[in-house]
Order: sequence, then structure tokens, then C-alpha cells
Amino acid sequence: AQKVTQAQTEISVVEKEDVTLDCVYETRDTTYYLFWYKQPPSGELVFLIRRNSFDEQNEISGRYSWNFQKSTSSFNFTITASQVVDSAVYFCALRARFGNEKLTFGTGTRLTIIP
Amino acid sequence: SQTIHQWPATLVQPVGSPLSLECTVEGTSNPNLYWYRQAAGRGLQLLFYSVGIGQISSEVPQNLSASRPQDRQFILSSKKLLLSDSGFYLCAGKNRQLSNGYTFGSGTRLTVV
Repeated sequence: AQKVTQAQTEISVVEKEDVTLDCVYETRDTTYYLFWYKQPPSGELVFLIRRNSFDEQNEISGRYSWNFQKSTSSFNFTITASQVVDSAVYFCALRARFGNEKLTFGTGTRLTIIP
Repeated sequence: SQTIHQWPATLVQPVGSPLSLECTVEGTSNPNLYWYRQAAGRGLQLLFYSVGIGQISSEVPQNLSASRPQDRQFILSSKKLLLSDSGFYLCAGKNRQLSNGYTFGSGTRLTVV
């Protein structure tokens, strides 16, 4: 069975601070994909990144960066120089590479950026 | 590109009333489709998924059902709503041509009173 754990329920930081959102996963699949989604107050899920399990290269996109550590089954997300617009709920998700392609989500982390 | 349409955006229904939420897909054919529910303060729970017309798999036993009468149409239903059915319902589509994999609708916020 697959499981995604986001231990941080809520985080608040002051604007311009860096913040890291943790994600730990469990899976028996040898190949899989990991995702991060952002859910603003409007409710719609916004795709941020997909990472293949066979590619451990970390990725940076502007103020966003992701640290994939297969040895510790973690896929953490860091926002540098946070902005108020970053306030949202962030979900980490996992799915097997093959099969019915269901996404298993973590419970989400509510991030509040204080101006 | 693939677009997921959901309606209505918000819905308030009395306990015991029926429910029908519709999700339609634009811009792709033969997608996998999914219904997720997000209860207040909780994560996203997969309710149903469908890999084709008439093919429905249920993830959790509950008061809801799903149907896929057409390739691009996915319907979530209930004969009699319970208070515990309140939540935010999201429809998602999976298209193999998409590198990110999934497109989500804008969701329906259901309140059962």
C-alpha cells in the first residue's frame, strides 16, 4: 500500500523568510512518481512538480526547490524569500509508474505567509 | 490541452436528498477519471476512478456512487445524502500525453444540512 505523510499541519512564517515543507512516503513499487500541488483559497489544485523515482537530481524553479532523497523516502519542498501569494495548502502526492495511476495524497500543509 | 469542468461550484443540500455532481473533460479522449473528496481540514481522499466507459472502481465503502456514461463524462451521485458527505469534491483527469499527469477541476463545495 502507498502512504504519504506530511507531518506539518500548519506553518506560519514572516514574508521573505525561507520555509521547507516536509513529505515522507511509503511504497512497495520500484518505480513511481512524486508530485507537489498547491491549493489556493479558490480550491483548485495547481500542479507544481513531478519527480520520477529513477531521477534523484534535485530541481529548482525560481524561488521553489525540491530535495528528493530516495534513501530516506523524502521529497521536501523549499520556498525561498517567501511571499504572501505563497499562502496556500500544499499537497505532496505519490503514484505508481504503472497500473491504474491513482494519486495518493498526503494530508497537506497549510502555509501562511505573514506580511 | 486537457480541461476539467465541474459544476456546481457550491451546493447546499438537506440530509436525505439526492445528489448529482457532473464532471466533463475537454481536450482529450479516453482519459482516466477520478473523484476525490477533501473533508474540512483533511487531505484528499480518492473515492472512485474510471479507466473507461462503464468502468468504475470504488476505493472506500460509502454512501456515494459514480458512473461514466460517456468517455468524457463522470458523475458522482447519492440517493440520500448524509451529514458526513459534506466536503469539497474534486474531479481529476489523467492523460498520458501530459507530463504532469493530472488536471483537476475547480471543485464543488457541498454542505449537507
